[in-house]
Amino acid sequence: GIQVEQSPPDLILQEGANSTLRCNFSDSVNNLQWFHQNPWGQLINLFYIPSGTKQNGRLSATTVATERYSLLYISSSQTTDSGVYFCAVVKLAETSGSRLTFGEGTQLTVNP
Amino acid sequence: SAVISQKPSRDICQRGTSLTIQCQVDSQVTMMFWYRQQPGQSLTLIATANQGSEATYESGFVIDKFPISRPNLTFSTLTVSNMSPEDSSIYLCSVVGGSQNEQFFGPGTRLTVL
Repeated sequence: GIQVEQSPPDLILQEGANSTLRCNFSDSVNNLQWFHQNPWGQLINLFYIPSGTKQNGRLSATTVATERYSLLYISSSQTTDSGVYFCAVVKLAETSGSRLTFGEGTQLTVNP
Repeated sequence: SAVISQKPSRDICQRGTSLTIQCQVDSQVTMMFWYRQQPGQSLTLIATANQGSEATYESGFVIDKFPISRPNLTFSTLTVSNMSPEDSSIYLCSVVGGSQNEQFFGPGTRLTVL
């Protein structure tokens, strides 16, 4: 199956700092999503971005499908940004529909 | 996006017992999935819940352990059978919705097996 690798596995920031999270995938995809899992376990949709660039407030994401990677940028980080960030993909021509394969996540801690 | 609810939100169970988790969506959806997240781990797909037919299970998951029902396009249940401490996890349902076939997740059920 498709492999999804995220880096770094852990990241500690001071409030106000910027960061970049990376997601590499091993095969062509027709869906790529970024999620934030808050400390209560809720998965929050950040971006649906199989290709191109999107921005939403302090967060933005870029996927370069031809090179099989995606980046999530967090600017001016806040303590509420803490949690685990997951990248998940659906392999192109996935015969079983929309089965998401998740990376291992990046644990982000933002200190005041 | 669809609004998804799960019941129960958390439970503590004894080994050897079974627990049924419910997932309710506020609109009809074609595709519904069940995922497991073991402590400190990422999410793993258990199965695709098919309306009107048997669920499609991923490698490593079997119907006897995780029976799934999908009686209509807004509701599904996952049962965790004959539980052991290794089944302690967060169980999440998800649906595909919106114009982009984006996947949305329910709030999860946090299960602890003693």
